[in-house]
Amino acid sequence: QQQVKQSPQSLIVQKGGISIINCAYENTAFDYFPWYQQFPGKGPALLIAIRPDVSEKKEGRFTISFNKSAKQFSLHIMDSQPGDSATYFCAARTQGGADGLTFGKGTHLIIQP
Amino acid sequence: SAVISQKPSRDICQRGTSLTIQCQVDSQVTMMFWYRQQPGQSLTLIATANQGSEATYESGFVIDKFPISRPNLTFSTLTVSNMSPEDSSIYLCSAETTTVEAFFGPGTRLTVL
Repeated sequence: QQQVKQSPQSLIVQKGGISIINCAYENTAFDYFPWYQQFPGKGPALLIAIRPDVSEKKEGRFTISFNKSAKQFSLHIMDSQPGDSATYFCAARTQGGADGLTFGKGTHLIIQP
Repeated sequence: SAVISQKPSRDICQRGTSLTIQCQVDSQVTMMFWYRQQPGQSLTLIATANQGSEATYESGFVIDKFPISRPNLTFSTLTVSNMSPEDSSIYLCSAETTTVEAFFGPGTRLTVL
């Protein structure tokens, strides 16, 4: 059973546009929701993370929106740049973190110049 | 943050042999994990590496196949035993800091012939 569903699988956005990636979760015990960016041949890099006590978190061009009642969260990349082209993974973790992260299937993002 | 290094970065191995992957973190961390990532796919948690005690394995992963050690707070090893071509994958070490953020190493790309 996939506990974190991510969409879309792939996304093409024009330079300067807004990239939006969505995730939905099932386990209400999840209390930490990070996003990772991964370039080919590299390990995932932590981009931004949120906890369910806030509805939005912004860091530079990256914003997480969180809807606890709908059990959904999304990543918005403003003013998307070709250098943002990568695979993005949402993830979730239960309180305590002893059981690691559960990842979505990933979104392959291409920013066209 | 934590900087994680892994050795080897890649290897090509023969069926039936074993490979040990080393993971070193540059600072003390609370938790260490091992993940597997098939090329182009998402990450799957193999196990939590517990300091001084047996690792905690996820469903589908067993100690005889993937023995793990964590002798101190900053170092862990994962062994892939009696390898078959199905074990060809990227193996990633992850460490979680006291601020709950999880960081990843660059990965070990394993090919089994």
